[in-house]
Amino acid sequence: EPEVTQTPSHQVTQMGQEVILRCVPISNHLYFYWYRQILGQKVEFLVSFYNNEISEKSEIFDDQFSVERPDGSNFTLKIRSTKLEDSAMYFCASKTASTQETQYFGPGTRLLVL
Amino acid sequence: GEDVEQSLFLSVREGDSSVINCTYTDSSSTYLYWYKQEPGAGLQLLTYIFSNMDMKQDQRLTVLLNKKDKHLSLRIADTQTGDSAIYFCAERTAGRRALTFGSGTRLQVQP
Repeated sequence: EPEVTQTPSHQVTQMGQEVILRCVPISNHLYFYWYRQILGQKVEFLVSFYNNEISEKSEIFDDQFSVERPDGSNFTLKIRSTKLEDSAMYFCASKTASTQETQYFGPGTRLLVL
Repeated sequence: GEDVEQSLFLSVREGDSSVINCTYTDSSSTYLYWYKQEPGAGLQLLTYIFSNMDMKQDQRLTVLLNKKDKHLSLRIADTQTGDSAIYFCAERTAGRRALTFGSGTRLQVQP
């Protein structure tokens, strides 16, 4: 069964460094999402992406964050200058069509900012 | 803004039924979901219900929605040890992309 994959599974970085989290959505999916979960807190929506542009973003998704679909398969989340509070599990998700309700989630990347 | 609340922990014995509860605040919530997360894995959609439905059954899973009280529940019949996981309630408002999640309920199934 097709699945969403994410790399790396764990990343440790120094505060102020840039990180890029990578996701490979399911191949025929058109809608892409990033969520994050700070340890002990709720899963929070960051951004949705469709047709090569951001379709919705949350207050968390400020100028430090960006997303890109650099080719036909990858979907990336970049954090330009990481802060301690960016430490979280980051989940990528995708779905096929606007009428389809199932967002398929990847296993997540655990980011630790020191 | 929207808020979704769940109890944090539920322990049941194998073979019993589990009922996981969720409340939400947004009266314009149109879709309500239950996701399961096993250790080291992503979020797996178990089932979802439209807000114009009261109940949905899918094999061992029964979802009940009380729209008046903004209360959603997930019943797992004949709970097995493999059902041990964290269960997340989530909602989505029509026209929005974002899912709003609860904190998750950790279900522990004792043999």
